[in-house]
Amino acid sequence: GAGVSQTPSNKVTEKGKYVELRCDPISGHTALYWYRQSLGQGPEFLIYFQGTGAADDSGLPNDRFFAVRPEGSVSTLKIQRTERGDSAVYLCASSPGGRSYNEQFFGPGTRLTVL
Amino acid sequence: AQSVSQHNHHVILSEAASLELGCNYSYGGTVNLFWYVQYPGQHLQLLLKYFSGDPLVKGIKGFEAEFIKSKFSFNLRKPSVQWSDTAEYFCAGLTGANNLFFGTGTRLTVIP
Repeated sequence: GAGVSQTPSNKVTEKGKYVELRCDPISGHTALYWYRQSLGQGPEFLIYFQGTGAADDSGLPNDRFFAVRPEGSVSTLKIQRTERGDSAVYLCASSPGGRSYNEQFFGPGTRLTVL
Repeated sequence: AQSVSQHNHHVILSEAASLELGCNYSYGGTVNLFWYVQYPGQHLQLLLKYFSGDPLVKGIKGFEAEFIKSKFSFNLRKPSVQWSDTAEYFCAGLTGANNLFFGTGTRLTVIP
């Protein structure tokens, strides 16, 4: 079946602009995660959705970052007033969800470059 | 703070050599550890995981890892690497909220 997909694959924007990054999880997966991977680093957790609600947004770096998942499927990560330091690969992962651990399946990521 | 550390940034091996990549964890409570791999141009994928029980965990593609509590380590091993093992390898832990936290990664280059 289809895996996690993310669009766009690459996004180049200018400092100060607004961007939206989209994630389509595996069908039926209730849990969805966003991570950010900066150059030379491992992925860092940003936010986790269980269904439509953000169960944990403790990884969002500041209030310029916001994510939604209105129907419990597709999620959009929104970044306002982008800064050069936001340049990174943004990864999305989904899992079947539930209270216990389930394997997270990762998408290919969106490479964001802020000029 | 919960963390995992990987001290090998780049490892270069010839085919058939044995591999050991280091991972040390720093957190208490329930310890759940993972190794993920990212082949060139591909998604992150799970190699193996440790939750409890037998500290020697076997994963896909001939990889294994050993959880040594006294050393706070979870090193990844493979007895004989192939060119196709060239990839970036990430050690990771799991928070109580089921979020992953990753090490900085080790790039493995296998020379044919």
